[in-house]
Amino acid sequence: ETGVTQSPTHLIKTRGQQVTLRCSSQSGHNTVSWYQQALGQGPQFIFQYYREEENGRGNFPPRFSGLQFPNYSSELNVNALELDDSALYLCASSLFGRKETQYFGPGTRLLVL
Amino acid sequence: GIQVEQSPPDLILQEGANSTLRCNFSDSVNNLQWFHQNPWGQLINLFYIPSGTKQNGRLSATTVATERYSLLYISSSQTTDSGVYFCAVISDTGGFKTIFGAGTRLFVKA
Repeated sequence: ETGVTQSPTHLIKTRGQQVTLRCSSQSGHNTVSWYQQALGQGPQFIFQYYREEENGRGNFPPRFSGLQFPNYSSELNVNALELDDSALYLCASSLFGRKETQYFGPGTRLLVL
Repeated sequence: GIQVEQSPPDLILQEGANSTLRCNFSDSVNNLQWFHQNPWGQLINLFYIPSGTKQNGRLSATTVATERYSLLYISSSQTTDSGVYFCAVISDTGGFKTIFGAGTRLFVKA
């Protein structure tokens, strides 16, 4: 186990709804990154948070937003869900600037109907 | 942006066989990681290997940064090695982000 936890493990939503996914960092880690992994593909970077601010973003629309809290945990929010948002959502925690310390959580499987 | 390509896309091995997975990347990078994703979706760090060679049990990895490729060697494969192997590079341009390849799907038969 990596010490990174995510909730919920599975989720079913309908198109147009909103969803919030949660991630708790490994102890001592101050940075959280979120990834979307569609079936049969590699993970795609959504964004990273450090010191409660977005520190980098991939090619995802603004309806994907996030938060980081003072305890370094994080939320991923997706508004106006689309069918293509169905995927495994992974978060990873790390020490800022220490690339080799990135560890992934078990993921949340989201199905949009 | 940086492109990461992995080969082969799929691999079927008999238990006990050896294999080599390859990762090519398009730009000079000073970092590269190999991950194993198990059938339940968990990504496990195998190696952080910006250059040189590292070994961990039956697995070893080599990165030749000047030639923009990395290799992952699996020796004496076991059924528990099945899953998807990803290589990834971390870009600092426009903020920190990890760029994954499409993966090599490995199935080891008993």
